[in-house]
Amino acid sequence: AQSVTQLDSHVSVSEGTPVLLRCNYSSSYSPSLFWYVQHPNKGLQLLLKYTSAATLVKGINGFEAEFKKSETSFHLTKPSAHMSDAAEYFCVVIPNQAGTALIFGKGTTLSVSS
Amino acid sequence: DGGITQSPKYLFRKEGQNVTLSCEQNLNHDAMYWYRQDPGQGLRLIYYSQIVNDFQKGDIAEGYSVSREKKESFPLTVTSAQKNPTAFYLCASSIRTGGGYEQFFGPGTRLTVL
Repeated sequence: AQSVTQLDSHVSVSEGTPVLLRCNYSSSYSPSLFWYVQHPNKGLQLLLKYTSAATLVKGINGFEAEFKKSETSFHLTKPSAHMSDAAEYFCVVIPNQAGTALIFGKGTTLSVSS
Repeated sequence: DGGITQSPKYLFRKEGQNVTLSCEQNLNHDAMYWYRQDPGQGLRLIYYSQIVNDFQKGDIAEGYSVSREKKESFPLTVTSAQKNPTAFYLCASSIRTGGGYEQFFGPGTRLTVL
């Protein structure tokens, strides 16, 4: 069975400090992995994606994520948090099998304090 | 511009009424999805469709219905049988590429039952 686990429901950081949002997945197949961000009352915006190319993926707004197959992880990081990064973040898996729908984590709320 | 449109952005319904949420995409994507988002619960899959005239139930299909008569359209009807329909509804589409899947989300419809 496929699943996604976001290990923290809420992460709080100070502006200018590093951000780490953790995601572990379980998939029987080689998956495609994504991180999305959602600001209040908005749709989802794609931050970055892994689709079997380079394991270190760079996204928008200074975010990046590393696919580690041995650890079944796809953690999201950013060296220095900005106030505008405060939002909800979702880790998403699409197992690369025909007819399989998206699998969402429950989300991590990132708070950034000044 | 290519993308996914959802209408309306805000929708109000009286108890006992059916209501249909629109989702249209001009990306030529084969697969389309409907999700429901509630605070603290992430996104839950309602229905998805991999091809025209075919669709499958997701995790929370009870009280909802869909149709897929055209590739670009995947409307969702929230019926009176849905016990707690107030939520944020997101439509998505995806297409398989050589490196995996690519996907896009619409801006969402916020449904409130009065």
